Amino acid sequence: DSGVTQTPKHLITATGQRVTLRCSPRSGDLSVYWYQQSLDQGLQFLIQYYNGEERAKGNILERFSAQQFPDLHSELNLSSLELGDSALYFCASSPRGGGRYNEQFFGPGTRLTVL
Amino acid sequence: GENVEQHPSTLSVQEGDSAVIKCTYSDSASNYFPWYKQELGKRPQLIIDIRSNVGEKKDQRIAVTLNKTAKHFSLHITETQPEDSAVYFCAASNYGGSQGNLIFGKGTKLSVKP
Repeated sequence: DSGVTQTPKHLITATGQRVTLRCSPRSGDLSVYWYQQSLDQGLQFLIQYYNGEERAKGNILERFSAQQFPDLHSELNLSSLELGDSALYFCASSPRGGGRYNEQFFGPGTRLTVL
Repeated sequence: GENVEQHPSTLSVQEGDSAVIKCTYSDSASNYFPWYKQELGKRPQLIIDIRSNVGEKKDQRIAVTLNKTAKHFSLHITETQPEDSAVYFCAASNYGGSQGNLIFGKGTKLSVKP
């Protein structure tokens, strides 16, 4: 157990819908990263938050957004869902946004299925 | 931006043999190179990492080597066991900057035959 929690474990929804994925980082970690894992694209970095502020953006679609709250948990919002959004969504946390200690520990993931 | 290439995509070895997975990266500013093991349906787990001021690091049966000049790093698993079967991902990042996101290779599916 990495100490990173994600809910829900599984999510099944229809095209056009909107969902919210939640992540709680390890105690004391300030950074949260979101990654998408699909069969053909591997692990793709989406977005990073550090202590409530957006720090880096990767291949995140405009239909997706995220935020990190004062208690450091983060939510990833996916809207106007398409079949191709079906994937495993992982969050990871690390103590800092960069700097000396950047080991990232992954949560168990949320499996999203869009029908 | 950074790009990480990983080879081979699949690797099959006999139990007890060694396995080697290789990665190359493009951004010379990258200085942190972790390796993750992922079993089917589970989260990636950090198994070993190396920073650019070190050429080699070992942890029991696992070792990682880094060649900064050639921009490549490798994972070596000795005395493989069936429980080593999984997908292995290499990654690169620049931990000295304000960001720390990982750029992953496409993964290597390792199968260890008993």
